[in-house]
Parts: sequence; structure tokens; C-alpha cells
Amino acid sequence: NAGVTQTPKFQVLKTGQSMTLQCAQDMNHEYMSWYRQDPGMGLRLIHYSVGAGITDQGEVPNGYNVSRSTTEDFPLRLLSAAPSQTSVYFCASRSHQGSPPLHFGNGTRLTVT
Amino acid sequence: DAKTTQPPSMDCAEGRAANLPCNHSTISGNEYVYWYRQIHSQGPQYIIHGLKNNETNEMASLIITEDRKSSTLILPHATLRDTAVYYCIVRPRESSSNTGKLIFGQGTTLQVKP
Repeated sequence: NAGVTQTPKFQVLKTGQSMTLQCAQDMNHEYMSWYRQDPGMGLRLIHYSVGAGITDQGEVPNGYNVSRSTTEDFPLRLLSAAPSQTSVYFCASRSHQGSPPLHFGNGTRLTVT
Repeated sequence: DAKTTQPPSMDCAEGRAANLPCNHSTISGNEYVYWYRQIHSQGPQYIIHGLKNNETNEMASLIITEDRKSSTLILPHATLRDTAVYYCIVRPRESSSNTGKLIFGQGTTLQVKP
């Protein structure tokens, strides 16, 4: 049971490039979400999904796309990276019924130059 | 969601109890108190949560005052590995009808010293 796995751990992009941050969980959790963490800003919710085929926007969705074709995977896409998207990105999941509330991955550190 | 106030930093000697306070004076009746911690370079980790009764698990104890306006997270025997940022969060209990959105403030940086 690996929990929530994020890849890659580190990534450097040039402005305008695109990439996908991967997130996978093996706990059969219905709910998955993406956060970004910036110094002095805490964690902010980007997008979330309550089940396969269902996604919705969080606090800061602009510049990011998501899809949820399977229960296990919830990739985050940056279509045209900007320096403002330099951040640490965390994926999290939970069961609708379960406790603890959220399981987090160990993050992807993204730098956009 | 109710706002929380935590001291920015605390020190604790290894082996001693670490008592981390949190003020949440605007908490409403259906809001729970959640504690998470974030060890450097890792994702946040759930510790414990409670509504009004004191709670204990293998990691920590949570003491909530009778008026529910403040709480204390207790790590009974702190180790060097407990050095982390500790977040106190107040929100309604997570369920299938809400988004699981957690508002993380600045938290308390706990430094456990040998």
C-alpha cells in the first residue's frame, strides 16, 4: 500500500512549456485534490474530484486542467507554464467515509523560468 | 470556516511533552478541530481531530476547552522526528457533501531539541 504517489519530485520548465504532474493512489479513495504551497500563503486548493469522471475548481484553478478517468489517477496539467506557477504541488485523497480526512503525497517542486 | 490563531514557533526538549495551543474563538457548533503537521519537504500528515470531547490516539492527545474556543495538541514524549510545522484547522466534519477543502494557516513551527 503506497498511499498517494506523486511524480516527478522535481521539475524545471521554461515559460510557455506544458507538462503533467502525476498523482496516483492505491487506497480506492473517491475524493482526490490538488493543492499548491507557496511561502507565506499556506496550501491553496487548485482542483478536486469526488469520483471518476467528476472534477471541480478550487480556490486557484486558473492555468491548470485536470481530468479523472480512473479512481486511482488524478493528473494536473499545466498547458502553458508561467513563473507564477513556481510552487510545491501536493496531491491528496480521502475516502468519503473515512478517517483521517486527507492523505497527502510528498509533493512536486516545480520551477518555471 | 472559523479562523485559528497559533504561536509562530515553540521549542521543546526531547522526551518532554510538547503542548501546542490553538485559539478558535469563533468556532461554531458543527465545526471540528483538526490537527495536521508538515515535516520539512513532506506532505501534510493528519494527526487527530475532535468536536468537543478530548481525544487520544497513538500519535497525540487533543484537549478542547469546555467553551470550545481553544484547544491544545499534546505530544506526550516529543522526539527529534516531531520537529515540524503543526497546523490547527477548524471546519465542518468532512463528508461526501463537502469538498474536503482545508484552510491551512501559518501553523506553529515546533523545534524539538536534544
